[in-house]
Amino acid sequence: GESVGLHLPTLSVQEGDNSIINCAYSNSASDYFIWYKQESGKGPQFIIDIRSNMDKRQGQRVTVLLNKTVKHLSLQIAATQPGDSAVYFCAENKGNTDKLIFGTGTRLQVFP
Amino acid sequence: KAGVTQTPRYLIKTRGQQVTLSCSPISGHRSVSWYQQTPGQGLQFLFEYFSETQRNKGNFPGRFSGRQFSNSRSEMNVSTLELGDSALYLCASSPGSENIQYFGAGTRLSVL
Repeated sequence: GESVGLHLPTLSVQEGDNSIINCAYSNSASDYFIWYKQESGKGPQFIIDIRSNMDKRQGQRVTVLLNKTVKHLSLQIAATQPGDSAVYFCAENKGNTDKLIFGTGTRLQVFP
Repeated sequence: KAGVTQTPRYLIKTRGQQVTLSCSPISGHRSVSWYQQTPGQGLQFLFEYFSETQRNKGNFPGRFSGRQFSNSRSEMNVSTLELGDSALYLCASSPGSENIQYFGAGTRLSVL
C-alpha cells in the first residue's frame, strides 16, 4: 500500500546546530512532496515543497533534498533555533488532487 | 488575509450522537480538504472538495460525510459517534491550481 514514513520519532539538537529530518516514501508515482511543521495546539504549517523533477530546493534556513532512486526525502534546518521545536511531517501528493499522504512525524527538540 | 478558520475549536459529544464541523477557507481558495489526526494513526485524509464537488475520498466509513457550499465553505459530519472518533479534525484549503495546502487550527472532538 501507500506509505510515507519517518525513521526517527524524536530528534534532539543543540541550539545553533543543523538538523536533518528524514522521510522514506514508497509510492514512486508521487510527484510532489511537502514538509509541514506542527506546533502544539496548532495546525500544520507549510515549510517547503519540492517537485519530483527536482533534487534540491532551498528556502530560508531550510533545504529539502529528494532522492528518487532510494525514495528518500530530507529536511535540513540550518542554525536550529528554539522556535524550531515542533513536530515535522513529510507528505506526498500525486498532483491534480489535493489528497496528501502524511508520514508519521518527527519531534524536533532544541536545547540550549 | 485571514487564514483557514475552523469552528468550533473544541467539542465534547457522547457515543451515538452526531456532530458537524465547519471550515471557512482562505478567501479565493476553492479547494477544501479534511484530515483526521490521532496519536495512533497520525494524519489521515478524509475527503477533498472542489467547487462543491467531492473530488477525492479517503478510507473512512460512511458515517463520515462532508459538503462544500457555493462560497467554498465546507462542513463535515460524523454520525453515530464512536469512542474512536475522538481526534483533531483539520481542514486545509488551497487555490486549487497549486498544491500548497494551508491548514486551520483544527477542531478537537472528544467522544465520551
